[in-house]
Amino acid sequence: GAVVSQHPSRVICKSGTSVKIECRSLDFQATTMFWYRQFPKQSLMLMATSNEGSKATYEQGVEKDKFLINHASLTLSTLTVASAHPEDSSFYICSAKQGAGEKLFFGSGTQLSVL
Amino acid sequence: DQQVKQNSPSLSVQEGRISILNCDYTNSMFDYFLWYKKYPAEGPTFLISISSIKDKNEDGRFTVFLNKSAKHLSLHIVPSQPGDSAVYFCAASSYTGTASKLTFGTGTRLQVTL
Repeated sequence: GAVVSQHPSRVICKSGTSVKIECRSLDFQATTMFWYRQFPKQSLMLMATSNEGSKATYEQGVEKDKFLINHASLTLSTLTVASAHPEDSSFYICSAKQGAGEKLFFGSGTQLSVL
Repeated sequence: DQQVKQNSPSLSVQEGRISILNCDYTNSMFDYFLWYKKYPAEGPTFLISISSIKDKNEDGRFTVFLNKSAKHLSLHIVPSQPGDSAVYFCAASSYTGTASKLTFGTGTRLQVTL
């Protein structure tokens, strides 16, 4: 099946620093990528939909100035958590669609801990 | 507002028996449903899906049943194997006009015991 690589898998940082998470589709071109976050014992919550070459579409309640998404190529989308604070600590996971199907392929996730 | 609900946070089943994982949804606009399996420290992997025009889809040991009138779907695993132990997420798809997006349930942790 299609492979989505997400890096880094774990980040521990000080409050106020910015953190960049990369999501790459390794063997297919992904025109659309999705970013989710998951708090413990809760479901995956969609943060934004990232389309190659255009601005990301953010879900209600997600600060676009806080969570900066760039989808500059068909195989790479990045999520930057700007000036991270402890409340941003969460599990962030990206996914990509291959073609027009509904099936998503997920990265392995990034556990962000902000001290 | 949780539009996709998995009311059982955990389930324990003996090896060889049937595992039944349940999922309920509230949004009648959902037209495609998927099950994902997730191991610790890994991303979810696709397991099986069903379109709203069907009521059953089978793939090997995995069968998904959809009851549209009850807004309920279930995943049956038979026979259950220890390697099936994982968290299972049900997800529903709705087309928003520009792209379809998935709404996930909170997951059910399945433990298959020997």
